[in-house]
Amino acid sequence: DGGITQSPKYLFRKEGQNVTLSCEQNLNHDAMYWYRQDPGQGLRLIYYSQIVNDFQKGDIAEGYSVSREKKESFPLTVTSAQKNPTAFYLCASSFGTTGIYTGELFFGEGSRLTVL
Amino acid sequence: GENVEQHPSTLSVQEGDSAVIKCTYSDSASNYFPWYKQELGKRPQLIIDIRSNVGEKKDQRIAVTLNKTAKHFSLHITETQPEDSAVYFCAASNYQLIWGAGTKLIIKP
Repeated sequence: DGGITQSPKYLFRKEGQNVTLSCEQNLNHDAMYWYRQDPGQGLRLIYYSQIVNDFQKGDIAEGYSVSREKKESFPLTVTSAQKNPTAFYLCASSFGTTGIYTGELFFGEGSRLTVL
Repeated sequence: GENVEQHPSTLSVQEGDSAVIKCTYSDSASNYFPWYKQELGKRPQLIIDIRSNVGEKKDQRIAVTLNKTAKHFSLHITETQPEDSAVYFCAASNYQLIWGAGTKLIIKP
């Protein structure tokens, strides 16, 4: 069953702690993305990666970090430097690499992070 | 910076009626315009998209129209059904996708 898997679905964190959100895809897509979704706002791009071992900052990268050691995996770390980390985080992938958006984005089911 | 404005933020229509959601973009170089549907608690999914060399595209009950001169594009849903209830997001892309804030569509029985 092909698709994108995010984990955990729900996560609680104390202030000052780093947390890592997992994103795995078996669609053989080259490009992967992390978005943040807040109520009443559109999706905001945190980081994206078009190829293994390479990634680029999006619009709101401060306080976040990523890695792309394998084509299938693109984990996101929310660091203690992120001032307002409580949000819904969506991972996505797409087939194309010639531009960062060349077609359909396939999303995971999301991870809801709450900072206590 | 580049932005996409989406209206209305909430739209309530009677089942069977039509619904129209409008988006305006600022980057005249934008050439790809997708629409995503996000049902409550689920992931966004692409429902239709259009490229700048096309003025209109239809897929059963949904259609998208694009006016490049005015820099706006619209989603049209005809004969609305309860399963159309969701949040709809528009986006525009030149190189990077810029998203609208979303429209919550409510279908009244």
